[in-house]
Amino acid sequence: DIVMTQSPDSLAVSLGERATINCKSSQSVLYSSNNKNYLGWYQQKPGQPPKLLIYWASTRESGVPDRFSGSGSGTDFTLTISSLQAEDVAVYYCHQYYTSPIAFGQGTRLEIK
Amino acid sequence: EVQLVESGGGLVQPGGSLRLSCGASGFTFSNNWMYWVRQAPGKGLVWVSRIKGDGSTTSYADSVKGRFTISRDNAKNTLYLQMNSLRAEDTAVYYCAKTRDSTTYYSPFDYWGQGTLVTVSS
Repeated sequence: DIVMTQSPDSLAVSLGERATINCKSSQSVLYSSNNKNYLGWYQQKPGQPPKLLIYWASTRESGVPDRFSGSGSGTDFTLTISSLQAEDVAVYYCHQYYTSPIAFGQGTRLEIK
Repeated sequence: EVQLVESGGGLVQPGGSLRLSCGASGFTFSNNWMYWVRQAPGKGLVWVSRIKGDGSTTSYADSVKGRFTISRDNAKNTLYLQMNSLRAEDTAVYYCAKTRDSTTYYSPFDYWGQGTLVTVSS
């Protein structure tokens, strides 16, 4: 089974500053036949379900602000928020859908400094 | 507008049973893979089960295999999770979620329900 490990577990960033969250998979999630990384990112605010932000490691979901971006390939991935807004306070999860069982990272809690 | 609405959660004793439902609207339900994902209080997201659009193929996490059964009624646009032999460690919010790509389960989840809380305790 693929294990997803996020770092850090929690992060405090000042408003307007950059936030960076990392995700490492225990095996590559890059499918060579289509050159796609089967990796997504979700945002979860308290009392709400997760919301899809990024899929295929770097494709922004419709309606997601462009301050959110994803990068990386193979086993190492990054979610970047270019200029933190108050409404970005949440827990962020990465998700590999390359193989079964699918797996999520343990989550990264993002707060305002 | 896509909507997923779970129901059926509650308090149940260890060893008991519960059936969760997820009503779907706003998309062609019968074409879509559907998942159940759970989240224990204060914890992360864990896959539970999935089912193909026509109901012909199912899969389960090892932790629930043999105890939980996923099913769907496409005429009613409803997904189910029958949970038997419940344990304290099954306590969680249970979410239903649809795959973004309807034809494959190797897909992220673009819509999630609000979740229903299952508490297993004596």
